[in-house]
Formats: sequence, C-alpha cells, structure tokens
Amino acid sequence: GAVVSQHPSRVICKSGTSVKIECRSLDFQATTMFWYRQFPKQSLMLMATSNEGSKATYEQGVEKDKFLINHASLTLSTLTVTSAHPEDSSFYICSALGRTNTEAFFGQGTRLTVV
Amino acid sequence: AQSVTQLGSHVSVSEGALVLLRCNYSSSVPPYLFWYVQYPNQGLQLLLKYTSAATLVKGINGFEAEFKKSETSFHLTKPSAHMSDAAEYFCAVLTSYDKVIFGPGTSLSVIP
Repeated sequence: GAVVSQHPSRVICKSGTSVKIECRSLDFQATTMFWYRQFPKQSLMLMATSNEGSKATYEQGVEKDKFLINHASLTLSTLTVTSAHPEDSSFYICSALGRTNTEAFFGQGTRLTVV
Repeated sequence: AQSVTQLGSHVSVSEGALVLLRCNYSSSVPPYLFWYVQYPNQGLQLLLKYTSAATLVKGINGFEAEFKKSETSFHLTKPSAHMSDAAEYFCAVLTSYDKVIFGPGTSLSVIP
C-alpha cells in the first residue's frame, strides 16, 4: 500500500509558540490530504481537507487562523498550530487519498504537548 | 449525511473466544467502508476495506467483516482472540465528498 510519512512524531513546545507538522505521501501524488485531531480515548475528528494549490476547507468549529494548512505540492501538506496553548495538546494525524480515491492512507501521527 | 456508529465503546473477550465488533453506517449511496486498528500512541493500521466487491472481506491478522446492505452493517469478527488484539478499533466510511469519517471507536480488551 501507499505510504504517508508524518513528522515529527512527538513535539513539545512552549505556550505561545508555533509548531509545524509535515505530512508527505512518499510514493504517490495526493491531491487531497486530510488533517485529524484525536483526544485521549476518543475518535478521530476531521479538522480540515487540504487540496493542492488551493485553500483548505475547514470543518465547522475549527479555527482556520489557529490551524494553518498549506498544501504546496502533490506530496506535501503542512499543519501549523499557531500560538499554541495547552488546550491544543493532542494527537494529530494526517491522511492522503490514494490514486483511485477509494482508500485513505494515514500517517503515524504527531503527539503535540504544549507546556 | 453519511455517518458511522459503533455499538459498544468497550468490548471484553477471553483469549481464544470470538471477537465481534459492531459497525453500522448510514449512507444513501453504496459506501466504501473500512476497519482500522490503533495501538496506544500510534497511528492507524488498516485491517480491511469494503469497496463494493465481495461482501465478505478478509483482512489482516485473521479479521474479516461482512457487508450487509439490508442491515446497513459492517461488523468485524475474528474467530479466536489473541492477547495482541487488544487495541482500539475504528469503523470508517469514505463519504461521497471523499472524506473519511470515523465511528466513535471500540476498545477491545482480551482476558487471558
């Protein structure tokens, strides 16, 4: 299957700073990528859909100015958590649709801790 | 809107016993359905997927699921539970807008 690489796997940052998370499709081109957030012992919540070359589409209730998404190429999407606060601490997972758009491939997730 | 429900947030079985995790979907069009497993502090691993081919889908680690349109279900089963099966399991649907929406998840415990 296709491989999606997410980096970093863990990051600790100070409150007020910004953190960038990268999501790369390693062996296929992904015109559409997704960003999810997962709280402890809960399901994955879709935050936004990232389309190459255009603005991301955010789900209701997700602050687009807080969670900046850039999909600059067909293999890379980035999520930047701006001015992070402790409540932003969470597990963030990206995914990319495969070539046939019948399956999504997931990164290994990023554990963000804001102190 | 397409959605997924999972009955039972927590399921506990004995080692060697049958595993049954329930998933029901709502969709006005033939769905693409998936089961994922997540181990603590890790990403998701695809167990199996239904993409409108055979209704009985076999996946990795001995898991299988049957798509039943009449029941709008896609339950996950495994004949004999192993200790290593203890994890969080998510049923998901690929919507007509090409988004993967997840069910709430079921935590599986395996008792030795």
